[in-house]
Amino acid sequence: DIQMTQSPSSLSASVGDRVTITCRASQSISNYLNWYQQKPGKAPKLLIYAASSLQSGVPSRFSGSGSGTDFTLTISSLQPEDFATYYCQQSYSLLTFGGGTEVEIK
Amino acid sequence: EVQLVESGGGLVQPGGSLKLSCVASGFIFSGSAMHWVRQAAGKGLEWVGRIRSKGNSYATAYAASVRGRFNISRDDSKNTAYLQMNSLKTEDTAVYYCTRSDHYFYSYMDIWGKGTTVTVSS
Repeated sequence: DIQMTQSPSSLSASVGDRVTITCRASQSISNYLNWYQQKPGKAPKLLIYAASSLQSGVPSRFSGSGSGTDFTLTISSLQPEDFATYYCQQSYSLLTFGGGTEVEIK
Repeated sequence: EVQLVESGGGLVQPGGSLKLSCVASGFIFSGSAMHWVRQAAGKGLEWVGRIRSKGNSYATAYAASVRGRFNISRDDSKNTAYLQMNSLKTEDTAVYYCTRSDHYFYSYMDIWGKGTTVTVSS
């Protein structure tokens, strides 16, 4: 099975900060990597698919990059509504989620 | 309105069975792959399994943790997907989300239900 490791597991940031979350796969997954945002008590929401494609309706401050085993999700200027937990998910071989990164208010 | 609505959650004893349903509306259900994803309280997301469309032979796949105990099916005439859970364990306690993907390879899940809670306890 492919393991997905996210780092950090949590971070504190201020409104307006640039935030980067990393996701590493245990083997090469090409660009079969998706990102989700989840707020407490809510279902996850798709942000980025195929490593770098922005889902319709998602603000352009979110971006994704990477290929192979290393991927990043970047929020260019953190907004109050962005405080949430973020998950990566691979679909190269079945599906696996990363452990999540909680973005908290500093 | 595009939506997925899960039902069937509840309290069940270890070793018992439960069947969840997921009713879809607002999109072409028959052409979509349907997935189940679960989340234990305070924990991360865990993919449970999926069923592809008729055009892809209704192919199913499961996470190792549930393989042989859980079964996913669908009824396209009712726009409904199901998750049959047998031999339940306490570690199966979670919120179960129904989701869909319509890209064969990238399998990104763009529509999610609100979830239904399953509690396995004696």
